[in-house]
Amino acid sequence: QSALTQPPSASGSPGQSVTISCTGTSSDVGGYNYVSWYQQHPGKAPKLMIYEVSQRPSGVPDRFSGSKSGNTASLTVSGLQAEDEADYYCSSYAGRNPYVFGTGTKVTVL
Amino acid sequence: EVQLVESGGGLVQPGRSLRLSCAVSGFTFDDYAMHWVRQTPGKGLEWVSGISWNSDSIHYADSVKGRFTISRDNAKNSLYLQMNSLRPEDTALYYCAKAPEKYSGSPTRFDPWGQGTLVTVSS
Repeated sequence: QSALTQPPSASGSPGQSVTISCTGTSSDVGGYNYVSWYQQHPGKAPKLMIYEVSQRPSGVPDRFSGSKSGNTASLTVSGLQAEDEADYYCSSYAGRNPYVFGTGTKVTVL
Repeated sequence: EVQLVESGGGLVQPGRSLRLSCAVSGFTFDDYAMHWVRQTPGKGLEWVSGISWNSDSIHYADSVKGRFTISRDNAKNSLYLQMNSLRPEDTALYYCAKAPEKYSGSPTRFDPWGQGTLVTVSS
C-alpha cells in the first residue's frame, strides 16, 4: 500500500488560510469517507484534528475544516495562528490493507 | 485523563527481538481496539498493527507480517508488540493509539496517541 501524497510544505501569514491536499486512489481516499487529519508539533505525538472527512473532535477549533473530492482530500486552516505551525498528516481507511497515512506537510506561519 | 505510555524501546542488533508495552489509563481498556503506529524521519507515519477489544481480530501491515505479534492483557490495561527478526528499516518511534471502535480492521481513527518509544535496529 503506497502512502498518500501530500505537498511537503505550505505556508501562510497570520489570519490567512492554508489548504493542504491529500491524494490517494479509489482504493483508499476515493473509496471511503474515512479520511482523518493529524497535527504534530515537534517532539510531540500526533493529535487528531479531523475524522470521517469533515468531522471535528470536541476541542478542535472550527478554524480547521476538511473536505473530499474524488481521490483527493483537503484540510483547510482558516485564520492561521502561530500555534498552527506544525506537521500535518492525512490518513485513510484502505480496505484490505486497512490504514494508510500521507507523506506529511509542514505548515509554516510566516 | 486518558493516558497511553509506551516502553520497551532501545538499541537492538539486526535479527534480534524486542517487546514493546503500552500501559493505558483513564478509559475502559477492554471496550476498544488498539493499534501500533510507527514514525520514521524518512517515511513518515506507518500503521503497524491493530487488535480488537477481545483479541479475536488482529491485523498487520505487510511490512511486519510474520515477524511482529500484537497482543493485549485487559486485566493489566496493557498492549504489547513482540518484534522478532528486526531489520534496520524497523528503526522508528513506535506509538500506541486508541481507536473508538471495538474491532480492528474497520474504518477508524487514532485518538489519542502515546508519546512513543524509540526502537533503533543497528549493529
